[in-house]
Amino acid sequence: KAGVTQTPRYLIKTRGQQVTLSCSPISGHRSVSWYQQTPGQGLQFLFEYFSETQRNKGNFPGRFSGRQFSNSRSEMNVSTLELGDSALYLCASSSPGQGNTEAFFGQGTRLTVV
Amino acid sequence: AQSVTQPDIHITVSEGASLELRCNYSYGATPYLFWYVQSPGQGLQLLLKYFSGDTLVQGIKGFEAEFKRSQSSFNLRKPSVHWSDAAEYFCAVALTWNRDDKIIFGKGTRLHILP
Repeated sequence: KAGVTQTPRYLIKTRGQQVTLSCSPISGHRSVSWYQQTPGQGLQFLFEYFSETQRNKGNFPGRFSGRQFSNSRSEMNVSTLELGDSALYLCASSSPGQGNTEAFFGQGTRLTVV
Repeated sequence: AQSVTQPDIHITVSEGASLELRCNYSYGATPYLFWYVQSPGQGLQLLLKYFSGDTLVQGIKGFEAEFKRSQSSFNLRKPSVHWSDAAEYFCAVALTWNRDDKIIFGKGTRLHILP
């Protein structure tokens, strides 16, 4: 079974631009969560989608948004990029409704804002 | 507010020595508890999890963790570390599961192994 796939792996953008990151969950997983990892703040929860609906949201500004498609693939968008948005963005998928399952993480997208 | 504390930012141990990484959480009820490992440039890999039942949990790569409710702790242990264990380790909690899959992570502990 293929794991969680995030694309692209690396990205360099300029301040003020916008960016879209993609996450393909494990087949059959309907929950997709996004996290931002920075050296200063560690791993912080962005949002979680389940069946195309956002179920939970972390404390990030409105510039950070996401969506989930009917095939459970998810995208995360960051508009008006700031230098502080440089981070590793991790996506995790899980399969609610199947007991004590775990969240599986992708390898992340390394975003650098210059 | 709910939180996870890993008091040690860096830990250095010699290869073959035992290891204990500390984790404390703050939450009114028993959360779901996890330990993840992250190698450089990689995503997170689950080492073990505690949902309920036996408070001593066995994980992959020879790791184990013990849930102590009285101390709000979930410390990770390994009897003998290998050089390949050098990585960053994250303790995490989820307040609910399968209804709202939000994980709160500690700041991480970076493990260094001396040859």
